[in-house]
Amino acid sequence: GQQLNQSPQSMFIQEGEDVSMNCTSSSIFNTWLWYKQDPGEGPVLLIALYKAGELTSNGRLTAQFGITRKDSFLNISASIPSDVGIYFCAGPVRGSGGGADGLTFGKGTHLIIQP
Amino acid sequence: DTAVSQTPKYLVTQMGNDKSIKCEQNLGHDTMYWYKQDSKKFLKIMFSYNNKELIINETVPNRFSPKSPDKAHLNLHINSLELGDSAVYFCASSRGSYNEQFFGPGTRLTVL
Repeated sequence: GQQLNQSPQSMFIQEGEDVSMNCTSSSIFNTWLWYKQDPGEGPVLLIALYKAGELTSNGRLTAQFGITRKDSFLNISASIPSDVGIYFCAGPVRGSGGGADGLTFGKGTHLIIQP
Repeated sequence: DTAVSQTPKYLVTQMGNDKSIKCEQNLGHDTMYWYKQDSKKFLKIMFSYNNKELIINETVPNRFSPKSPDKAHLNLHINSLELGDSAVYFCASSRGSYNEQFFGPGTRLTVL
């Protein structure tokens, strides 16, 4: 399967700050997904991206599908305490295939918000 | 209503035992998956299954086997449990090969 490099590994920010994280791959992806995992819970899908260059928002979250198809970015504006958690990027195991083989995940970005 | 559910939430057992984790989805999806999340929170696909095909990640030991009694269920059976099997196991589902997958709450397995 494809390897996804996600950064930063962790972020310590103040409430109200904006957050940016990204994910890169050495191979082309046709789909980028962003998930959030709260402690003791399963990952929850935040945003799905299907087209190179696509910019999609979900409330205070905005994600972009890189034009090279090898990267994606997630931004969170005006962070609040409930944004704390682990954010994962993900894509199809085969990169450019469908999801039937499962997803490959980045190693996650731990977001910690200081009040 | 819970979309993807798993039981049990916690499972503590001795090395060498055989155990099962159940998964059910009420989303009408036809593809289901099992993932393993290690202590560093790294998520890795184990199996993907629809009513036509089982895709097995080559790194998964053959002590692990998925069993699907019907389209809404994909249970995970583990034989001869080892210490290294301790992890959180997640079930997920999707519509066909559509990439958007929905995850269950996880089962924390601890092997003593």
